[in-house]
Amino acid sequence: GENVEQHPSTLSVQEGDSAVIKCTYSDSASNYFPWYKQELGKRPQLIIDIRSNVGEKKDQRIAVTLNKTAKHFSLHITETQPEDSAVYFCAASFGAAGNKLTFGGGTRVLVKP
Amino acid sequence: DAGVTQSPTHLIKTRGQHVTLRCSPISGHKSVSWYQQVLGQGPQFIFQYYEKEERGRGNFPDRFSARQFPNYSSELNVNALLLGDSALYLCASSFQVFTEAFFGQGTRLTVV
Repeated sequence: GENVEQHPSTLSVQEGDSAVIKCTYSDSASNYFPWYKQELGKRPQLIIDIRSNVGEKKDQRIAVTLNKTAKHFSLHITETQPEDSAVYFCAASFGAAGNKLTFGGGTRVLVKP
Repeated sequence: DAGVTQSPTHLIKTRGQHVTLRCSPISGHKSVSWYQQVLGQGPQFIFQYYEKEERGRGNFPDRFSARQFPNYSSELNVNALLLGDSALYLCASSFQVFTEAFFGQGTRLTVV
C-alpha cells in the first residue's frame, strides 16, 4: 500500500521567513496530493491540493510543488505569520481508488513573532 | 452554510463496550469517509462510503463497521472496545468518490 513520509517533524521559523515541508510517497499510481492544516483541538482544514497533471500550484502565500519522477511534493509558505503556527499534514491518494488518503506523520510549525 | 458535523464531540467508554459515532456530511456531498487519528500522528483511513455502498476499507479489524443512510449521513460502530481505540475519530465528506475531502471536528473517544 501507499506510504507517505513527511519531514521535518518540527519546524521553527521567525515571522516573515519562509517555511518548507517535504513529503515523499511510495505508490507511483498516486495522483492527488492535498495538504491539511490542523490547529490544536480543531479539525484538519484543506489548505491547498495538487493533482499529478500539474507541477506547481500557488494560492497567495502558499504554494505546492510536485515532482512525479522523484515521487515527492513540498509545501512552501512565504512571509510566515503567527497564525500559520499549526500542524501540517501532507497526504496522497489514487483517485480511482476513492478518497483513501494516506497521511504523513505531520509537521509542527511554530512561527516566532 | 453548515460544514461536516459529528456527534458526540467527546465520549468516554469502558473496555469491552460498544460505541456509535455519527456524521452528517456537507449538504450535497454524497461520500463520507472515516479516519482514526491517534494523538501525535496523522489520520488513518478506516472506511469510505458513497451512495450507501462501501467503496474502501483500511487496515482495521472487523470490530469496526460503518454504514451510510439514504440522506448520506453515516455511522461508525466499534465493538469490544480496547484501550488502543482511544483516538480522535474524524469524518470527511466529499461531493463524489475522489473529490476534495472536508473534515468534521471529530469525536474524541476515550476508552478506560
